[in-house]
Amino acid sequence: GQQVMQIPQYQHVQEGEDFTTYCNSSTTLSNIQWYKQRPGGHPVFLIQLVKSGEVKKQKRLTFQFGEAKKNSSLHITATQTTDVGTYFCAGYQTGANNLFFGTGTRLTVIP
Amino acid sequence: DGGITQSPKYLFRKEGQNVTLSCEQNLNHDAMYWYRQDPGQGLRLIYYSQIVNDFQKGDIAEGYSVSREKKESFPLTVTSAQKNPTAFYLCASRAGHRDNSPLHFGNGTRLTVT
Repeated sequence: GQQVMQIPQYQHVQEGEDFTTYCNSSTTLSNIQWYKQRPGGHPVFLIQLVKSGEVKKQKRLTFQFGEAKKNSSLHITATQTTDVGTYFCAGYQTGANNLFFGTGTRLTVIP
Repeated sequence: DGGITQSPKYLFRKEGQNVTLSCEQNLNHDAMYWYRQDPGQGLRLIYYSQIVNDFQKGDIAEGYSVSREKKESFPLTVTSAQKNPTAFYLCASRAGHRDNSPLHFGNGTRLTVT
């Protein structure tokens, strides 16, 4: 069945350091979405990637979709304390309509 | 403002009791979803509904039931048959089940069963 794994599960960084989380799917994805969940909060949609090799940026965040459409990454440059939270990738298997969520990466930023 | 409302935020029940979690949306979305979140795990799909009076099982439907009598409402009942009900429950919606649009989540209900 569909599996979407994320690594690392946890990451602690000093404020100002960079951070990357990786998302890997066992099957080809039609597109991938990224969500952020603040501590005690609910997931909030960040971005969607559709094309093979696509790269999108949102200020200090860079999102990438792999050429084979089976992996994705989120890179944060110069982390800030406001970046704290759990980042989830979620993908649609090609031909299916259910969104499969990754296991999430919990980011802690130390001031 | 449009959005999704889940209530209550915290819920406590004794083992063996059924409990119903409320989810209401005023986004005029057709598709609604229930997810369960446990520490260290991603979101797991319990049930979803593409349209009124229709719903399908997700990956972990055992011990849960839903109804979709109105477009705005998608309540989830956690029955006594659910072996490990303590968790954070998230309701979500999107415009259409087949359009790959992003999910809008409610604030969640944290259920504790003792």
